[in-house]
Amino acid sequence: DTAVSQTPKYLVTQMGNDKSIKCEQNLGHDTMYWYKQDSKKFLKIMFSYNNKELIINETVPNRFSPKSPDKAHLNLHINSLELGDSAVYFCASSGGASGGPTYEQYFGPGTRLTVT
Amino acid sequence: QKEVEQNSGPLSVPEGAIASLNCTYSDRGSQSFFWYRQYSGKSPELIMFIYSNGDKEDGRFTAQLNKASQYVSLLIRDSQPSDSATYLCAVQQGTALIFGKGTTLSVSS
Repeated sequence: DTAVSQTPKYLVTQMGNDKSIKCEQNLGHDTMYWYKQDSKKFLKIMFSYNNKELIINETVPNRFSPKSPDKAHLNLHINSLELGDSAVYFCASSGGASGGPTYEQYFGPGTRLTVT
Repeated sequence: QKEVEQNSGPLSVPEGAIASLNCTYSDRGSQSFFWYRQYSGKSPELIMFIYSNGDKEDGRFTAQLNKASQYVSLLIRDSQPSDSATYLCAVQQGTALIFGKGTTLSVSS
């Protein structure tokens, strides 16, 4: 069973289009994340949701809008795609034991977005 | 801006040797630290986490944490060609992880 899944795996689209990436986790975790990994392989946090509530919103263009319909799902919608949006987008989840010090995160397989 | 620094490498070691990967971080208040392995074209995979000063061992992997010096290291004993990957150090900030840019390890047979 896949713990954190993402669809689609690959996404090729033209500038100006709107696209969505979906993420689902079956680990029973409360917190989900979106990360962006650029061409230099640098992995950077974009958003985080805890129990459907947005808790982290890094400096990301407002063309990116996350949505969490329930705590097992976190989707990412991108409007007016630009060339610079080309990257791999990873979804992750963590259990964050209540009161515990660590938030081990488990990553999905990634969505490779190419904007032409 | 809280930062996590890693030598990008590549770090090349022969099969059977010990590979030593290092990471420093800027936020003295950081509590938890993680090592992820990422193969080319794949997602990051959690290897270990550590939050107490000292060593933590798991099989061939040992994580070392020194909060006073603000560094974390990962030792891989008996390195295998299958260990060739990029190793990402991450520091917990709230519920998010701040990643370093990774060190590429190459193990030659």
